[in-house]
Amino acid sequence: DVKVTQSSRYLVKRTGEKVFLECVQDMDHENMFWYRQDPGLGLRLIYFSYDVKMKEKGDIPEGYSVSREKKERFSLILESASTNQTSMYLCASSLSVAGGMFFGSGTQLSVL
Amino acid sequence: AQTVTQSQPEMSVQEAETVTLSCTYDTSESDYYLFWYKQPPSRQMILVIRQEAYKQQNATENRFSVNFQKAAKSFSLKISDSQLGDAAMYFCAYRSSQGGSEKLVFGKGTKLTVNP
Repeated sequence: DVKVTQSSRYLVKRTGEKVFLECVQDMDHENMFWYRQDPGLGLRLIYFSYDVKMKEKGDIPEGYSVSREKKERFSLILESASTNQTSMYLCASSLSVAGGMFFGSGTQLSVL
Repeated sequence: AQTVTQSQPEMSVQEAETVTLSCTYDTSESDYYLFWYKQPPSRQMILVIRQEAYKQQNATENRFSVNFQKAAKSFSLKISDSQLGDAAMYFCAYRSSQGGSEKLVFGKGTKLTVNP
């Protein structure tokens, strides 16, 4: 089974802190994604990557950056956390267009 | 840009009954993929069922089936013999078949409650 692991299930940070959310997949997938999930808004794409060191902006990239130095790892960075970035963050990976995405179990981030 | 609409924020069903969750989408593409994902309280997103747009036959996975109406851009999920474990958020999602467009576009979700 594909496994997508997010390093933290819950995080509490202060406004202005630099925050790193880590995601690792173990199935050699080319594509990795970061989504943000908010009640009533569904899942919105922040960034995705289709190869090492490659990244593409999603629908809501403002305030975020990403890093993909190795194929299996995709990091989401909040340069200066703000309260409006309090949310559930979901990482996912996929191999091909036809296949489904495989998700991690999410990180609930609270910015105080 | 493609959009996915789930018009029912919440639905409820009695255990052992059948329920249908609605999903419509907007696209100018002719080839694409559609998905239903389930998110139980554990928050783990689970793929329920997948449909390729070029296939006319509706996908089925055990108690889950879809009604895919390509011309109407409709993709509803039917859950038969509902069980308590089916209670979850359900998300409809669209994916282009074009390379470089591997992202999923999600609807806002439908919260399904199963009553004993």
